Amino acid sequence: EPEVTQTPSHQVTQMGQEVILRCVPISNHLYFYWYRQILGQKVEFLVSFYNNEISEKSEIFDDQFSVERPDGSNFTLKIRSTKLEDSAMYFCASQPPGADYGYTFGSGTRLTVV
Amino acid sequence: QKEVEQDPGPLSVPEGAIVSLNCTYSNSAFQYFMWYRQYSRKGPELLMYTYSSGNKEDGRFTAQVDKSSKYISLFIRDSQPSDSATYLCAMSDKIYNQGGKLIFGQGTELSVKP
Repeated sequence: EPEVTQTPSHQVTQMGQEVILRCVPISNHLYFYWYRQILGQKVEFLVSFYNNEISEKSEIFDDQFSVERPDGSNFTLKIRSTKLEDSAMYFCASQPPGADYGYTFGSGTRLTVV
Repeated sequence: QKEVEQDPGPLSVPEGAIVSLNCTYSNSAFQYFMWYRQYSRKGPELLMYTYSSGNKEDGRFTAQVDKSSKYISLFIRDSQPSDSATYLCAMSDKIYNQGGKLIFGQGTELSVKP
């Protein structure tokens, strides 16, 4: 069964450093998303992406965050200057066209900011 | 009032029991409803997806939506120890459910004892 692949599975970074989280969505999917889950809390929406531009973003997704689909297969989330509170699981998700489908999530990247 | 409320549990049942998981919501614009299963430190896995009131069945799982009461349920028949996980409800108000954000419940932790 097709999967959404995320790398790395775990990343540790120093506060203030830039990180890039990578995702390979399912090949025929057109809608792409990033969500995050702080330990013990709800899964929260960050951003949706379609046709090479952001469709919607949450209040969390401020100027420190950016997304990119650089080569038609990868979908990346960049955090420019990480803060301690950015420590969380980050999930990429993708969705095919059509109204009858849910979102497929990847296994996540656990980001630890120290 | 929170947009989506879900009892976090934990819920412990014996193997073979019927499990009932529930979410309530306040936003009448929600049209698409999903149930995800999440194992510890893994990504959410889509179980059920529906956009109409009524019941939808898939194997041992039944999703039920009551839009008039703003209440959704997931029933698991003949529960197995492998069903032990956190179950998340999620909802969207985006037309055709494309490109919009999902609002998640807190998740209910389920434990099925052999």
